[in-house]
Amino acid sequence: EAGVTQSPTHLIKTRGQQVTLRCSPISGHTSVYWYQQALGLGLQFLLWYDEGEERNRGNFPPRFSGRQFPNYSSELNVNALELEDSALYLCASSLGRIAKNIQYFGAGTRLSVL
Amino acid sequence: DAKTTQPTSMDCAEGRAANLPCNHSTISGNEYVYWYRQIHSQGPQYIIHGLKNNETNEMASLIITEDRKSSTLILPHATLRDTAVYYCIVRVREGGATNKLIFGTGTLLAVQP
Repeated sequence: EAGVTQSPTHLIKTRGQQVTLRCSPISGHTSVYWYQQALGLGLQFLLWYDEGEERNRGNFPPRFSGRQFPNYSSELNVNALELEDSALYLCASSLGRIAKNIQYFGAGTRLSVL
Repeated sequence: DAKTTQPTSMDCAEGRAANLPCNHSTISGNEYVYWYRQIHSQGPQYIIHGLKNNETNEMASLIITEDRKSSTLILPHATLRDTAVYYCIVRVREGGATNKLIFGTGTLLAVQP
């Protein structure tokens, strides 16, 4: 069974540009989570989608947004990139909205903003 | 903020048991203890979780004290591939409003040959 897949694996952008990151959850999982891991800041919760709706977001500015598609895959969009957006972006999925469900992570997308 | 406290780093000899402690003195009755690990530059990997009873799976054992204020993750026979940052997370399992995982700084376990 395939795990959580993310694309692309690496990305280089310049300040001010926009970027879209993609995530495919484990088959059967309806919840998708996005986390940011910036150097020195640890893993920070970004967004949670379930059944196509945003359920919760972390303490990030509105230029971080996303969506979840009917097939439960998800996109994370970051507008007006800033240097401090350079980070590993991780996607996780779980079976559903219930908090007990274990989150399984993908390998991440490493974004470098120059 | 993370509700757990872990040592910054630990060493372990290859083949020996690795015992990673975690303090969660403010844990609530409906909160579970979860352990994840992150090998350098990869996504976190789920290891194990528990409420109050000791748990064991193919990867590790989890020992939770009777007062639930601390726990220990045990890797019975550490290998070089177990070198990673280990995160201890407390999380509401039922009725949680956010579902987010709050990661602390974790423990860097270095397995030495």
